[in-house]
Amino acid sequence: DAGITQSPRHKVTETGTPVTLRCHQTENHRYMYWYRQDPGHGLRLIHYSYGVKDTDKGEVSDGYSVSRSKTEDFLLTLESATSSQTSVYFCAISEKREVIYEQYFGPGTRLTVT
Amino acid sequence: DAKTTQPPSMDCAEGRAANLPCNHSTISGNEYVYWYRQIHSQGPQYIIHGLKNNETNEMASLIITEDRKSSTLILPHATLRDTAVYYCIVKEGAQKLVFGQGTRLTINP
Repeated sequence: DAGITQSPRHKVTETGTPVTLRCHQTENHRYMYWYRQDPGHGLRLIHYSYGVKDTDKGEVSDGYSVSRSKTEDFLLTLESATSSQTSVYFCAISEKREVIYEQYFGPGTRLTVT
Repeated sequence: DAKTTQPPSMDCAEGRAANLPCNHSTISGNEYVYWYRQIHSQGPQYIIHGLKNNETNEMASLIITEDRKSSTLILPHATLRDTAVYYCIVKEGAQKLVFGQGTRLTINP
């Protein structure tokens, strides 16, 4: 299994509070991603990073920010959590292998916003 | 990116081959076909990918039609642990994957 950990694995928080999720990798892969998964929507990309301090938005980035100060860590922050951000969050990493970027996913973080 | 169409669910008997279809009639010449699966409560897992030729690895085989408008993922001897949601994704570069609803495959004892 790829060396990807996510913390916390479960979190319950109240509406309006800030929340930071952490993704940590030991593979030294260049690319890192944050997805959210909700019933009926599959996985949707929130933000991704193609290197230290290089990040870009995905399809559902509103209400989220990210930071990557080190290769191994990619942080996802909800500045002011809302109930619509209750979801399971997955981090993924990838590196170019031949012409594709095979992605490896972490175990997920289940976030509940009450 | 090409859109994919997969059946929402399928069943297969344990020990038999599971054949999961995917239609991607608008695929372009530079787009690869990727298959991932997600076992309940876990992160998605890469299975296999292909461009034009059929591919095989330790997990599965991928058969792509000559016109590349459809493909089939084959799990040769399905086990109960293969019960999962299987996603077919068509993309030129896999940096930003778009996951659809996938096929929920149930392996029955």
